[in-house]
Amino acid sequence: GAVVSQHPSWVICKSGTSVKIECRSLDFQATTMFWYRQFPKQSLMLMATSNEGSKATYEQGVEKDKFLINHASLTLSTLTVTSAHPEDSSFYICSAGEGSSSYNAEAFFGQGTRLTVV
Amino acid sequence: GDSVTQMEGPVTLSEEAFLTINCTYTATGYPSLFWYVQYPGEGLQLLLKATKADDKGSNKGFEATYRKETTSFHLEKGSVQVSDSAVYFCALTQGGSEKLVFGKGTKLTVNP
Repeated sequence: GAVVSQHPSWVICKSGTSVKIECRSLDFQATTMFWYRQFPKQSLMLMATSNEGSKATYEQGVEKDKFLINHASLTLSTLTVTSAHPEDSSFYICSAGEGSSSYNAEAFFGQGTRLTVV
Repeated sequence: GDSVTQMEGPVTLSEEAFLTINCTYTATGYPSLFWYVQYPGEGLQLLLKATKADDKGSNKGFEATYRKETTSFHLEKGSVQVSDSAVYFCALTQGGSEKLVFGKGTKLTVNP
């Protein structure tokens, strides 16, 4: 099956610094990538949808200037958490779709990135 | 908007017990339905899916049937193992969109 690789798998950073998380589709072209955040004991919350070559679409309540998303190519999307604070500590997950209009489209998930801000 | 409601956990079972995790949905049109599993320390993995009414998805001994009349997609397994301990998420996508709507997840612990 399709593989989505997310890097790094975990990161610890100091408060006030920025952290970049990469999401790559290894064997398919991902027209659309999704970024989720998972709070402890909660479900995944969709943060934004990124389409290659255009601006990301953010969900309500997600700060665009804090969570910068760049989908520069059909195989790579990045999420940058700017000026991170402890409350940004969470599990971030990306998923990628092949962009098919098929009704049976399914998303492929990266393994996630555990961000801890100290 | 579309939504998914899962039974609240955590669920604790003994090995070889029967498992049911309830999932119901609210959606317009005809969504595709999914169960994802998240093992400790890992990312989500697709467990099974169904794309139309009365379809049954199955994998690793797990099954779920798409019931349009009850808008449900309950996950079942006849005999759970310790290795099934994980968090299970029910989800849907609508039409041709790949945007997933998740339930809150149900944590399953299986004891030897």
